[in-house]
Amino acid sequence: EIVLTQSPDFQSVTPKEKVTITCRASQSIGSSLHWYQQKPDQSPKLLIKYASQSISGVPSRFSGSGSGTDFTLTINSLEAEDAATYYCHQSSSLPWTFGQGTKVEIK
Amino acid sequence: QVQLQESGPGLVKPSQTLSLTCTVSGGSISSGSYYWSWIRQPAGKGLEWIGRIYTSGSTNYNPSLKSRVTISVDTSKNQFSLKLSSVTAADTAVYYCARVLDYGGNSGVSDYWGQGTLVTVSS
Repeated sequence: EIVLTQSPDFQSVTPKEKVTITCRASQSIGSSLHWYQQKPDQSPKLLIKYASQSISGVPSRFSGSGSGTDFTLTINSLEAEDAATYYCHQSSSLPWTFGQGTKVEIK
Repeated sequence: QVQLQESGPGLVKPSQTLSLTCTVSGGSISSGSYYWSWIRQPAGKGLEWIGRIYTSGSTNYNPSLKSRVTISVDTSKNQFSLKLSSVTAADTAVYYCARVLDYGGNSGVSDYWGQGTLVTVSS
């Protein structure tokens, strides 16, 4: 099973600040890494697919990069509505797995 | 736009079988390039992939649950279902169904999710 480790676990950020969340895979997963945003009492929402591909309707301040074992989600100019928990997710090999999540709080 | 809705009992007794159905609307469950999956999330914890099903009926399960899980599909009703047997308190979670865009091989991306349904295992 591929283990995904996110860092940090928690981040408290001021609006307009840049946020960087990393996700490291226990073995190479190519670009089969996706990012989700989950707000309280909501289902996860797809932000980025296949490491860096944007999703229609998702604000352009969200971007992703990386390949192999190291990936990054960047939120440029954080807005209050971005307060949420962010998960990375791999679909390279079964069983599919998720990172433990990174909670982003707005100061 | 496709929508998914989970349904089923919110309370299941220990050792019994948890049964949930996901109803797909806004499109045919048999549309090409998609398959369907279940994911769960215990309160305050992370996400766990349970398994997936193609409309052909082919399935893959998480080995951690494989001996207890069955996922099936009913294309005539535009639904797919989850059964988890011999449940314990550790199976208490919000259960999500999701549509998966097929990228071939083992790969895909879950692009639409249901709102989730809380299932509590308790006597």
